[in-house]
This record gives sequence, structure tokens and C-alpha cells, in this order.
Amino acid sequence: QLQLQESGPGLVRPSETLSLACTVSGGSISSPSHYWAWIRQSPEKGLEWIATIYYTGTTYYNPSLKSRVTISIDTSTNQFYLKLSSVTAADTALYYCARERAGAIEHWGQGTLVTVSS
Amino acid sequence: AIQMTQSPSSLSASVGDRVTIICRASQDIKNDLGWYQQKSGKAPNLLIYGASNLESGVPSRFSGSGSGTEFTLTITSLQPEDFATYYCLQEYSRPKTFGQGTKVDVK
Repeated sequence: QLQLQESGPGLVRPSETLSLACTVSGGSISSPSHYWAWIRQSPEKGLEWIATIYYTGTTYYNPSLKSRVTISIDTSTNQFYLKLSSVTAADTALYYCARERAGAIEHWGQGTLVTVSS
Repeated sequence: AIQMTQSPSSLSASVGDRVTIICRASQDIKNDLGWYQQKSGKAPNLLIYGASNLESGVPSRFSGSGSGTEFTLTITSLQPEDFATYYCLQEYSRPKTFGQGTKVDVK
């Protein structure tokens, strides 16, 4: 059974870089039928799609965050990653990693809360 | 970005009720719409994809309809486990965008 698990610091200082990893188990991150995504949720903005990556390295970014976001993938470890630079309090959110297929986000991790505060 | 607007933002219902939630897109998204259920403290869960296709394992009391700019999620007979928040998500173009959610609570 597919599982996705987010990991990373729960507290990030303002202006620093948020770094998260998603470990995929029970399935291959190199599946040609799937994409891998980061989504966040906050009371202020609701659910917000951040970025998606394909196993080949093709990336898609939300234009509202594109200048600060990098998504990457490591097929040898079945992990993908998120980096968000120059964070502010507005980036405080529950961050989810997820698997996409054509037309749906079909599996989600449990989410990890990231707080931006000094 | 395509804007998704859900209505109502919340509703109160009883077990056995028929519940309808509407999602409107700011432009034509064909049938590229999904519905998700989120229970407190959990990640969203896919219910419907392609506007009207029931995801495997989802009870048949859930159904979706619509195309273009107006979509509907219907729960034909609300069960206790259905009290949750529901979101629509447009898959027509990136950035993917969610509706703001509809909270279904106990009347």
C-alpha cells in the first residue's frame, strides 16, 4: 500500500529556507503514470498547490510561489523534496506531499506543520 | 489562475439528508474537476474525479455532475461519517486551484 511521509523542521526562522522531504514507500517514484506534488493548507489561504515533479525531472510551479520554490526528486532513494526560500509568517502552513495521476490527486501524506517564527 | 468558488461555505444537515454542494469555475474547465473530503486532522481524500467518476472504494451515495463552469457534489443519504469539509479542485490547467471548502456539520 502506497504511503507518503513528509519530514523536515517544524520551525523555520523568517527569511530562511524551508526544506522538506517526502519519502514514498509501497510504490515506485519512477512510475510513468504518476506525478509527485507539494500542497499546503492554512486557515488564511486554504488549500494551495505549490509544485509538481515527474520522475524525469520535469517540474511545474505555482506562479505565485515560483520565484521562491524548488522541487526536486531522487529516484534512487524514492524521495522528493521541497525548498521554499525567504519565508515569512504567511508561509506557516500544513505541508502535504502527494501523488497525482491524470486528473486527480489520489494519495496524500499525513502532512507536516511548518511554523515560521523567530 | 482559474478561480474556484464553492457554495455554501457551510451547511447543517441531519443523517439521511440529501446534501448538494456547488462549485463554480471562473472559466470553462471542461470536466476537469475533482471533489475531496477532509475530516478533522486528516489529509483530503479523493471522492470524485473527472467531474462524475467515483473513485474506487468511495460509497455510491456520493456523486458528481456538471461540466464547463458549474459542478455539483451530491450526497444522497448523509451518513454519520460524512460530516466533514468538502473541496473542489480544478485540474484543467496549472496552477491547480481549490475551492474554499464547504463544511458539513450536524443540524
